[in-house]
Amino acid sequence: GAVVSQHPSRVICKSGTSVKIECRSLDFQATTMFWYRQFPKQSLMLMATSNEGSKATYEQGVEKDKFLINHASLTLSTLTVTSAHPEDSSFYICSARDGTDNYGYTFGSGTRLTVV
Amino acid sequence: KQEVTQIPAALSVPEGENLVLNCSFTDSAIYNLQWFRQDPGKGLTSLLLIQSSQREQTSGRLNASLDKSSGRSTLYIAASQPGDSATYLCAVADSNYQLIWGAGTKLIIKP
Repeated sequence: GAVVSQHPSRVICKSGTSVKIECRSLDFQATTMFWYRQFPKQSLMLMATSNEGSKATYEQGVEKDKFLINHASLTLSTLTVTSAHPEDSSFYICSARDGTDNYGYTFGSGTRLTVV
Repeated sequence: KQEVTQIPAALSVPEGENLVLNCSFTDSAIYNLQWFRQDPGKGLTSLLLIQSSQREQTSGRLNASLDKSSGRSTLYIAASQPGDSATYLCAVADSNYQLIWGAGTKLIIKP
């Protein structure tokens, strides 16, 4: 079945630095990928929709200059958290829709970001 | 605006019992509904996907139903095991294929 690989699984960074998270579709082409954030004991929240070859679409309240999304190829989308602050500490998950799979979604394993 | 609600928020049952998790949504115009499992600090595992034209899907001890007209879905888990302990999330896909999530049900199966 469709597999989405997400790296790194855990990252600890200092305040003010930037962190890049990668999301790859391993055996299918993903023209659209989604980035979610999950705070403890809360549900997933969609941050942005990443479209291959074009600008990402951000949800209301998500700062596009802080959360840079690049979808340069049909198999890779990246999320860069710039100038990270402790309040950015969260669980980030990417997802891709395999258009041949009845529009089901495949998720990455997630990235636990801790900003100290 | 589509809203997805999951009841109960938490559930604790003895091992071996059959149980039902509920998911309701306010707008019946959905493309599909998906049930996921999330283990603490981990990503998501897709359990069952029900297309809008379907009424149920089964996988092993899991059975999910969908009633679009009433805006409800249930996830039935038969003969529960401690390994079933996790948070179960349901999500509906809208016409743009974006997912709207419920807050989840935290399930604990006691040995």
